[in-house]
Amino acid sequence: AQSVAQPEDQVNVAEGNPLTVKCTYSVSGNPYLFWYVQYPNRGLQFLLKYITGDNLVKGSYGFEAEFNKSQTSFHLKKPSALVSDSALYFCAVRDKSNDYKLSFGAGTTVTVRA
Amino acid sequence: SAVISQKPSRDICQRGTSLTIQCQVDSQVTMMFWYRQQPGQSLTLIATANQGSEATYESGFVIDKFPISRPNLTFSTLTVSNMSPEDSSIYLCSVGGNGKNIQYFGAGTRLSVL
Repeated sequence: AQSVAQPEDQVNVAEGNPLTVKCTYSVSGNPYLFWYVQYPNRGLQFLLKYITGDNLVKGSYGFEAEFNKSQTSFHLKKPSALVSDSALYFCAVRDKSNDYKLSFGAGTTVTVRA
Repeated sequence: SAVISQKPSRDICQRGTSLTIQCQVDSQVTMMFWYRQQPGQSLTLIATANQGSEATYESGFVIDKFPISRPNLTFSTLTVSNMSPEDSSIYLCSVGGNGKNIQYFGAGTRLSVL
């Protein structure tokens, strides 16, 4: 079984401040981890992934995420948030052994105030 | 990344009717998926659309309610049958495979059932 937890329904930050969106996961084997963003009335856009290699992965729009195996976490970060980063963020996981079946977290709504 | 077109983008339907959603990809893809996103909730996988064979449905979803076709490697349809207000959701098509570990999503179909 595989699952994802996003403990915060909402994250509010001021523009220019660091942004962190938390994600923890559970899989039986090695995880493939993903972050997606959903803007209002839009589909999901891929931000970044961890498959193997460096624990710190960099993605689109200045986002990065750190894979922590001991804490089973994959938190999304951005050093300086923009108002345009306001959106719904989803963490997703799949076990390396399955055929692309993703499990998504509940989502975290990020609001960046000017 | 693949360009995925979904039609219709939104629809308002009457109870008891059926709606067919189309998903067109600009390149051949190994795997296509259909997800449901109920209001304010995360994504749930409905089924994997298999080219040339019956779709593989997840627990809680059945072919009679959500028949799926996949006649070739670039196209799939999802039908929501005998709709009720509980079927009001966003339905998303995604694609994956081709040696990549990323699923890309269409913009979704926003369905309201009255």
